[in-house]
Amino acid sequence: DIQMTQSPSTLYASVGDRVTITCRASLSISSWLAWYQQKPGKAPRLLISKASNLESGVPLRFSGSGSGTEFTLTISSLQPDDFATYYCQQYNSYFGGTFGQGTKVEIK
Amino acid sequence: QLQLQESGPGLVKPSETLSLTCSVSGGSISNSDYYWGLIRQPPGKGLEWIGSILYSGRAYYNPSLQSRATISVDTSKNVFSLRLSSVTAADTAMYYCASRREHLAKRPYYFDYWGQGTLVTVSS
Repeated sequence: DIQMTQSPSTLYASVGDRVTITCRASLSISSWLAWYQQKPGKAPRLLISKASNLESGVPLRFSGSGSGTEFTLTISSLQPDDFATYYCQQYNSYFGGTFGQGTKVEIK
Repeated sequence: QLQLQESGPGLVKPSETLSLTCSVSGGSISNSDYYWGLIRQPPGKGLEWIGSILYSGRAYYNPSLQSRATISVDTSKNVFSLRLSSVTAADTAMYYCASRREHLAKRPYYFDYWGQGTLVTVSS
């Protein structure tokens, strides 16, 4: 199995801050990584696929990078609507789809 | 616009089988451009991929659930379904139906269409 580890678990930030979340895979997954945003009581929303491809309708302040085992999600200027929990998910074909444990972005 | 709606039992007794149905509207479940999946989230915890199914009926499962989970498609009703046997309290979770449009997908494990979720509690 592939394990996905996100850091930090909780991140405290202010509106306008640049925010970076890290996701590490226990084995190389090439670029087969997605990022989701989830707000309380709502289903997750897909933000990024294939490590860096922004999904349609997702604000340009979100970006993803990385390959192999280390990946990052960056929010260039945090907005009030961005306070949420973020999950990475690997989707390498052999191992199916494993999620990270989540990173909660809270108001400082 | 594709829409997914979960329907589940709400409450299941330990050792019994959980049956959940995902109704699809705004698209055909037999369309090869889509794949379908289920994800769950225990209260206050993270997401867990349960499995995915293609229009052909080929299914992929989380190895930790493979012995207990079965996902199937009913094209006549435009639904897909999950059966999870021998449930325990650890199977208590919000269960989400999900989908993505990707022709002949080779990695049908991530999703951009989601239902609102249905809470299933395992308790006697």
